[in-house]
Amino acid sequence: ETGVTQTPRHLVMGMTNKKSLKCEQHLGHNAMYWYKQSAKKPLELMFVYNFKEQTENNSVPSRFSPECPNSSHLFLHLHTLQPEDSALYLCASTEGTGYHEQYFGPGTRLTVT
Amino acid sequence: SQQGEEDPQALSIQEGENATMNCSYKTSINNLQWYRQNSGRGLVHLILIRSNEREKHSGRLRVTLDTSKKSSSLLITASRAADTASYFCATDQSQGNEKLTFGTGTRLTIIP
Repeated sequence: ETGVTQTPRHLVMGMTNKKSLKCEQHLGHNAMYWYKQSAKKPLELMFVYNFKEQTENNSVPSRFSPECPNSSHLFLHLHTLQPEDSALYLCASTEGTGYHEQYFGPGTRLTVT
Repeated sequence: SQQGEEDPQALSIQEGENATMNCSYKTSINNLQWYRQNSGRGLVHLILIRSNEREKHSGRLRVTLDTSKKSSSLLITASRAADTASYFCATDQSQGNEKLTFGTGTRLTIIP
C-alpha cells in the first residue's frame, strides 16, 4: 500500500443525500489532492491543499465541499449530487506541490442514483 | 485540449514481449511522470524524468523524453501478466501553477 487510505471504498447515494469521503495519509506529506476519475476521461484535479490551506479549486461545483483540518486528513463533503458525479474519487499526497511524485489512495467508487 | 495524451489507447501483447506506450504534450514542462493503475485502484508512481534528461531506467522500465517533439515513451521489457494495467503520463507546466495534468491513459493487456 502507498500510505494513503480512503474510506469508504464504495458509496451509493441518492441525489438528496449528504455524505463525506475521507482520506488519511501516513507519510508526513504537506500537500493533499482530490481528483475525479470518470470513464474515458483524463484524471480531473478538483482541489489542492498545501499545509492545510486550499491552493487550488479547479472550478468545482459547490455541491462538493472540501475540508482539510490538518496535513494528514482530507475530507470531501457531498450534497445534492447529480448522476454525472458518479466516478472514482482519488485522494493523493505529496511532500510539496508540483514537483514531487504523488502517492494515491485506492479511491472511493461513488454511484449517485 | 488536454496537456498529455497517451497512444495507443489500448495495447494487447503476449507475455514476454516488450510494450511501448507514448505520450505527447503541448506546453513546456519541468518534468514528466508515468503512473500505473490497476483496475478500480489508485495510481502508483513509476518513474519521473526531468526536462533536462533524455532517458531513464528503472528495472524493466525505460522512459525517454524528447522535449523538441514534446513527447515521451514508456517501454516495459519482458512483460508479465502482472503488468496488465492502465498507464498514464503526467506533466507539470513550467510556466503554470505546478499542478500535474494527466492524460487518458493506455490500457495494457498482457496475454499469458
